[in-house]
Amino acid sequence: EDKVVQSPLSLVVHEGDTVTLNCSYEVTNFRSLLWYKQEKKAPTFLFMLTSSGIEKKSGRLSSILDKKELFSILNITATQTGDSAVYLCAVEGGSNYKLTFGKGTLLTVNP
Amino acid sequence: NAGVMQNPRHLVRRRGQEARLRCSPMKGHSHVYWYRQLPEEGLKFMVYLQKENIIDESGMPKERFSAEFPKEGPSILRIQQVVRGDSAAYFCASSAIPGPVQTNEKLFFGSGTQLSVL
Repeated sequence: EDKVVQSPLSLVVHEGDTVTLNCSYEVTNFRSLLWYKQEKKAPTFLFMLTSSGIEKKSGRLSSILDKKELFSILNITATQTGDSAVYLCAVEGGSNYKLTFGKGTLLTVNP
Repeated sequence: NAGVMQNPRHLVRRRGQEARLRCSPMKGHSHVYWYRQLPEEGLKFMVYLQKENIIDESGMPKERFSAEFPKEGPSILRIQQVVRGDSAAYFCASSAIPGPVQTNEKLFFGSGTQLSVL
């Protein structure tokens, strides 16, 4: 059974801090790893990673995948209160439609 | 272009009643997926449907749960004789082709239905 473990489960930081969220996985026939931001319920897409070592970047957010060690990190620099959310990591495995999600990391950014 | 629409946003049922959750996919999307998020848990896959077909229902409980995606109208997730353990957020997602792919095609999620069973 595919498995995704995220750490930490929760994190409290101050505005301006840099945070690193972790995601490790075990999956049969890895296809991709995805990061979502969940605030007020609807998960919204952040990144899709398929290749090791290639950083994906969007503004203050960036992510990278290590397929040898089976993990990914999501970095957020210069955090803002609007970054407060649950960040979900998911992997797409043997079937090309079924995602396995981790429990998420609850990030709270205080002013 | 409206996103994935789910309704109701909140649904309260008493034990033993039926719950019907609706999902209208994004325009042009014919693939629908239902996920359940229990408190303190990640989203868990329940079922994958295309128009008029159930492709994979391996994540759906064998009893009391059913799903459909008719030729016309929204996809429906139906839970009969609800129990307290069914209380969760139910998310629907849609895509134009199966699953996330190595393009800009993404899985689009709705805002979910929060089911509370009293």
